[in-house]
Amino acid sequence: GQNIDQPTEMTATEGAIVQINCTYQTSGFNGLFWYQQHAGEAPTFLSYNVLDGLEEKGRFSSFLSRSKGYSYLLLKELQMKDSASYLCAVQNDYKLSFGAGTTVTVRA
Amino acid sequence: DAGVTQSPTHLIKTRGQQVTLRCSPISGHKSVSWYQQVLGQGPQFIFQYYEKEERGRGNFPDRFSARQFPNYSSELNVNALLLGDSALYLCASGVGEGRNEQYFGPGTRLTVT
Repeated sequence: GQNIDQPTEMTATEGAIVQINCTYQTSGFNGLFWYQQHAGEAPTFLSYNVLDGLEEKGRFSSFLSRSKGYSYLLLKELQMKDSASYLCAVQNDYKLSFGAGTTVTVRA
Repeated sequence: DAGVTQSPTHLIKTRGQQVTLRCSPISGHKSVSWYQQVLGQGPQFIFQYYEKEERGRGNFPDRFSARQFPNYSSELNVNALLLGDSALYLCASGVGEGRNEQYFGPGTRLTVT
């Protein structure tokens, strides 16, 4: 089976840094995705990690440790528009298994 | 380049009816996946099609079916609708062939009354 855990909610101040953790136990692993989803909209691709280590993409970075079944998404220099749900998803062969999502609220 | 497109945007159906949702992948993408997202939860995998063949199916009843056409577009059909089928239905497009990134369309919001 698939078990993907991430915190339900996080709150941070504009300009700050927030780290969203994701732990997973899955029957297979081909890679880990992070998506951003604003309310009522479709998920938007943020990052994809296959190998251990840190992937940096502008204000967003994602880290993966396959041996620990652990990933995090780091959001730097938070902006109000970053208020959204962030979804961690593990790929096994052809399908993605998602966590329930972490709602990030950015306050002024 | 056009992204993934889905139609209709919104749909209201009555219990027991049937519904067909449509998806066109990004040009050059051969893989289409369907997901169901209930409010407050992450998307749940329903089907994936690659090169017009079903590659996999999630834990959904046989009331759910899908197909992929020669132009790689896809349809998801749901028969005998239940109230619990009310959700956002997402289509994801991918290159396939070993590359795993999937890109989502805007979704179809289905409400069953």
